[in-house]
Amino acid sequence: EDKVVQSPLSLVVHEGDTVTLNCSYEVTNFRSLLWYKQEKKAPTFLFMLTSSGIEKKSGRLSSILDKKELFSILNITATQTGDSAVYLCAVEGVGKIIFGKGTRLHILP
Amino acid sequence: DADVTQTPRNRITKTGKRIMLECSQTKGHDRMYWYRQDPGLGLRLIYYSFDVKDINKGEISDGYSVSRQAQAKFSLSLESAIPNQTALYFCATSDPGQGTPGSYNEQFFGPGTRLTVL
Repeated sequence: EDKVVQSPLSLVVHEGDTVTLNCSYEVTNFRSLLWYKQEKKAPTFLFMLTSSGIEKKSGRLSSILDKKELFSILNITATQTGDSAVYLCAVEGVGKIIFGKGTRLHILP
Repeated sequence: DADVTQTPRNRITKTGKRIMLECSQTKGHDRMYWYRQDPGLGLRLIYYSFDVKDINKGEISDGYSVSRQAQAKFSLSLESAIPNQTALYFCATSDPGQGTPGSYNEQFFGPGTRLTVL
């Protein structure tokens, strides 16, 4: 059965800390892995990863995929209170997309 | 104006009623999706459409139907609502982009419809 597991489910850190969010998956016919940020309502896109070992970077956020070990990490450096959100990992296979349950990140000022 | 809009934003209804949730987009994307989100369960795909003539079932299509009236409009219907369909429903769009043919790619989500079935 296809599955996407995110860890930790919840994380509380202080502003300025660096965090690493994990996403492991078992999805047949893998096509891509996507990260989204969900604050109040609608998820917003962060990254799409298709190739192993190539880091994608956007400001303080970065992500990398390991297709051999079937996982991805999302790093956030120098966290700010605006980074508080639920971070969703989704894995696309042929004719399907499976979301993880998300990691709820709370940044303390 | 928002690129992906959903109506209504909130709806309370009773068991057995027929409900339609509507989604419109101005992004010009061919691909549209309906998801539901339940606390602790993440997002789950209900139906998706890669163009006006293409409708596909997702992970949890039972109890739901869809209609793709035009490129810009994708409606989700609950023919006879039941309490376990209480959830937050999202519509999303994407374009084929440069990904693998048939890939979902980056998706743009609407603001969501909170549906409560009593």
